[in-house]
Formats: sequence, C-alpha cells, structure tokens
Amino acid sequence: DQQVKQNSPSLSVQEGRISILNCDYTNSMFDYFLWYKKYPAEGPTFLISISSIKDKNEDGRFTVFLNKSAKHLSLHIVPSQPGDSAVYFCAAPDDYKLSFGAGTTVTVRA
Amino acid sequence: DAGVIQSPRHEVTEMGQEVTLRCKPISGHNSLFWYRQTMMRGLELLIYFNNNVPIDDSGMPEDRFSAKMPNASFSTLKIQPSEPRDSAVYFCASSSEPPTPQFFGPGTRLTVL
Repeated sequence: DQQVKQNSPSLSVQEGRISILNCDYTNSMFDYFLWYKKYPAEGPTFLISISSIKDKNEDGRFTVFLNKSAKHLSLHIVPSQPGDSAVYFCAAPDDYKLSFGAGTTVTVRA
Repeated sequence: DAGVIQSPRHEVTEMGQEVTLRCKPISGHNSLFWYRQTMMRGLELLIYFNNNVPIDDSGMPEDRFSAKMPNASFSTLKIQPSEPRDSAVYFCASSSEPPTPQFFGPGTRLTVL
C-alpha cells in the first residue's frame, strides 16, 4: 500500500514561471517530509524538507508547503529554470524507512 | 564534502559471476542504506545499517545477496551468483540519525547477461 502518492506523473512549465508539484500521504503518523530531485543516470538529490511543526519551509527558489489536515504537501519552484527539468520525488520516513512517491517529471520549456 | 561515493558506476557481468558493489558514506553519518531501483518496482530498500550494524535486511531478495559494513567509512553489497534478474541500478545512501535526510550516491548500474 503506497503511503505517499504523487498523482501527476508529469508537468510542463515555461521558463520563468512557477512549478507546483503535489504530494498526498495517508499515514497520519508521518511528521517529516522530504523532496528529492533526480536526473537520469544519477542518484536522487535531497532538495528540501519540512517538519510537521511547520507549514512552510523556504530555501531559495524552492518552497515546500504542508497542510496536515489535508495530508497534502506541495513544492513550489519559482522561477523555473531549464536545469530544473528532472524527476521530483516526495518522501516521508517511517523511522528509518523512506516511503517515496512515484515521482513527477518536470520539463521546463525555454 | 565529496558526498556518497559508489564504485563501480557501471558493471557488466555474466550470469553466475560474483559481483561486489562498494560504497563510502558521508563522513560522520552513522546510517547507511542500500537500495535497488528497477522500472517495475521503483526504489526498494535492501538493507539498513546503523553504526555499522545491520538493523534491517528484510529487503534483501535472497541468500545470493549479502552486505557488510566493516567500518564507518565502507560498505559492500555482494551478489553471488548473479542472475539476469539482478540487473538494476543499486544506490547507496547515508544519513545522520533518522529522521534526517538520506543522501544518495550516484548509483551502480548492474547488467547481468
């Protein structure tokens, strides 16, 4: 049973605009969430995380929002750049085990 | 910091051969993870070490797979004998005490012919 879900397999956005990636989770015990970015033939790269005591965390162009009541989080990338084209995974740890979403492929158009 | 280092990056071998994958975690991290990524199953956790001790090896597919962590800066994943269905990308990741981010290595792409 997948505890972390990314229902949009792909997203296409114009350079300079905002990319919004969504993630839903089912386990109400999750209290820490992460976003990873993955290029082909490379390992996932940690982007940003958020603890459940917060509802927003910002790092440069990346902002993660958490809505605990809806069991939903989102990643905003502003402005989107061509180098942001990659697969993005949200993840949540249950102790040491990371549950990953299926990923969203972002394509930034010039 | 150099990040998690894995070697080799690519390995092509014939069925029945022994394969050894290597990982150097980030210095200071006390947790190490081996994952396998396939198209069908996505990213699967194979084994988790904490302070060099295997804590959870329930993801190791069968007895042909074994993993060791002789010290805090080195781990190996061995497949013996290898089979074509073992073809996948194998990632090593390390972290401080959970829950903290896991940092992944570049992966080893294994092809068993």
